[in-house]
Amino acid sequence: QSVLTQSPSASGTPGQRVTISCSGSSSNIGTYTVNWYQHLPGTAPKLLIYNNNQRPSGVPDRFSGSKSGTSASLAISGLHSEDEADYYCAAWDDSLNGDWVFGGGTKLTVL
Amino acid sequence: QVQLQESGPGLVKSSETLSLTCAVSGYSVSSGYYWGWTRQPPGKGLEWIGSIFHGGNSYYKPSLKGRATISVDTSRNHFSLKLNSVTAADTAIYYCARALVRGVITTSPDALDLWGQGTMVTVSS
Repeated sequence: QSVLTQSPSASGTPGQRVTISCSGSSSNIGTYTVNWYQHLPGTAPKLLIYNNNQRPSGVPDRFSGSKSGTSASLAISGLHSEDEADYYCAAWDDSLNGDWVFGGGTKLTVL
Repeated sequence: QVQLQESGPGLVKSSETLSLTCAVSGYSVSSGYYWGWTRQPPGKGLEWIGSIFHGGNSYYKPSLKGRATISVDTSRNHFSLKLNSVTAADTAIYYCARALVRGVITTSPDALDLWGQGTMVTVSS
């Protein structure tokens, strides 16, 4: 069971806006920044969002991140078929000498 | 551009040591950033293993501490993972990755901004 909680699945149609949530606690999201990764099985995971809401160079502004309290969200607007992938949130956790913890992942299906 | 490429045995016997190397091209491992490993067991999510700064500062997942060791070889511009006393639970795709640096005086690994393609390691009995 993952320290950060994500819904296992999400879906949307092309052009729609979808939101993926990530729930944690005071020892992780409540204190530290959140990162989001996109992963297509068989490929290298890709950093989408860091420091809660910052996009690395090359990531489209259709992707946005936010954080409030012990929860975070990833929003994808103008959904594209190539956005179909697994999405993971991650944060530092200080409950046991420090650990990077991931959510269980959300499988996004573009219908 | 900067690229990371994992290499190592795809099959390791239970109780033995898993050894993987990540070759870095297009960037010097001694020029900054943390370097480390993350894995994904079959059908499961991502799990961070640990990260090291070229100067030697290292961090490991608490549940793996004592079994995992990450080292940097600046002469070969690569870094390595050794995981000893492996069991079937260590079967996974292993990814090497570069991590942003958090902090200035006291640093720690931050977001993983560049990843390798991954290499599958199976632990057999």
